[in-house]
Parts: sequence; structure tokens; C-alpha cells
Amino acid sequence: DAGITQSPRHKVTETGTPVTLRCHQTENHRYMYWYRQDPGHGLRLIHYSYGVKDTDKGEVSDGYSVSRSKTEDFLLTLESATSSQTSVYFCAIRTENYGYTFGSGTRLTVV
Amino acid sequence: KQEVTQIPAALSVPEGENLVLNCSFTDSAIYNLQWFRQDPGKGLTSLLLIQSSQREQTSGRLNASLDKSSGRSTLYIAASQPGDSATYLCRSQGNLIFGKGTKLSVKP
Repeated sequence: DAGITQSPRHKVTETGTPVTLRCHQTENHRYMYWYRQDPGHGLRLIHYSYGVKDTDKGEVSDGYSVSRSKTEDFLLTLESATSSQTSVYFCAIRTENYGYTFGSGTRLTVV
Repeated sequence: KQEVTQIPAALSVPEGENLVLNCSFTDSAIYNLQWFRQDPGKGLTSLLLIQSSQREQTSGRLNASLDKSSGRSTLYIAASQPGDSATYLCRSQGNLIFGKGTKLSVKP
């Protein structure tokens, strides 16, 4: 989506390995979010950030950590990937009118 | 626990029909409500954003309404087309929670 990019778009990793997903925005928005989307569960909030170095947990934060050292980048790390973390991960930003804009997603497969 | 519920979970209609998708939420402190569309394998595209001070928003054939007192929002699609086939999700701002979506199929 315009102004927000996620990388990588696809990744296959082995159980127990660390994985970092990156979300980059070009519009200097304060709030950024990481969601995962799974069949039957819909979109669930993992972590969110309300500024540089300011982050908080969402509904399904166990097994995930985040970092925001710059306004434009919000990183999601799986310290030791498990098969239950196979999912599609979406990053979102909150815009000035309190709407959300989403990235195109990262499809992660843990084997 | 705050919840956002979307009914129906799936809907199949013939082309040209007008239809209504429903979203109900339990968070009384809602600030705004947003409707999205998601095509298979794709990200979410914002359709309409209703601020808490508004009752409805319109964009083309789409109209979304918000009734905070009853905890409901509806998305009305007029004269549906096969290109409208997608999953439609609503999001409540107050608690950052999404509904699970309504999967719409419009048959030619």
C-alpha cells in the first residue's frame, strides 16, 4: 500500500530459528501495529507502537517481541519460531483521521 | 472482553442485488468505525471510515452507518457486481479489534 511496505513478502523458516519482519512507513505516523491473520480467527493484534521506543502488547503477544528505534520502522521478531506462528502478518499505520492503512502482508511458514 | 461480531459470516447473492452487511461491537467507548475489503491473498483496503461524531459515510455504491447507542454498524452495497466479491471486515477503533469478516460472493 502507498506509504507502507513490509518485508519480506514471503518467508519459510525452520522451527526454533529467529525471524524478523520489517514494516516501513514513509509518512511519519506515530502509531504502528502488527497483526496476524489466521483462518477462523480473523485479524488479531500482536503488538503496537505509539512512538519511538514506545510499544505495548496486543491480544496475542506471547512469542513475539517488537522494536521501534526510528519512527519509520517497526520490527516484529519471533525469537524462536514455532509452527503455530505460521500465518500471514500485516502491519498497519494509523493516519491523521484515525483510519488505518495496511501493508500488503508477509506470509510466514514455519516448518 | 471486547468483541466485534460480523453477521453473516458468508453471503452469496445474484448480481444487481442490494445487500447489507452487519457489524456489532461491545465497546461503548468507540471513537470511530472503519470498513475494509480484503481480496483473497491480499491486504486490506479501506472502504469507509465513520468518525464517532458522524452517523454515516457514503462512497459510490457503498454506504456505512454507525449507531453507537445500539453498538451497530451496517455496510450497504447497492446494485452489487461480481467485482464486489471479497471479504468485508469492520474495525472498532476503541479496542483495535476486528470482526472476522463477511465473505461476499456476487454471482453473475
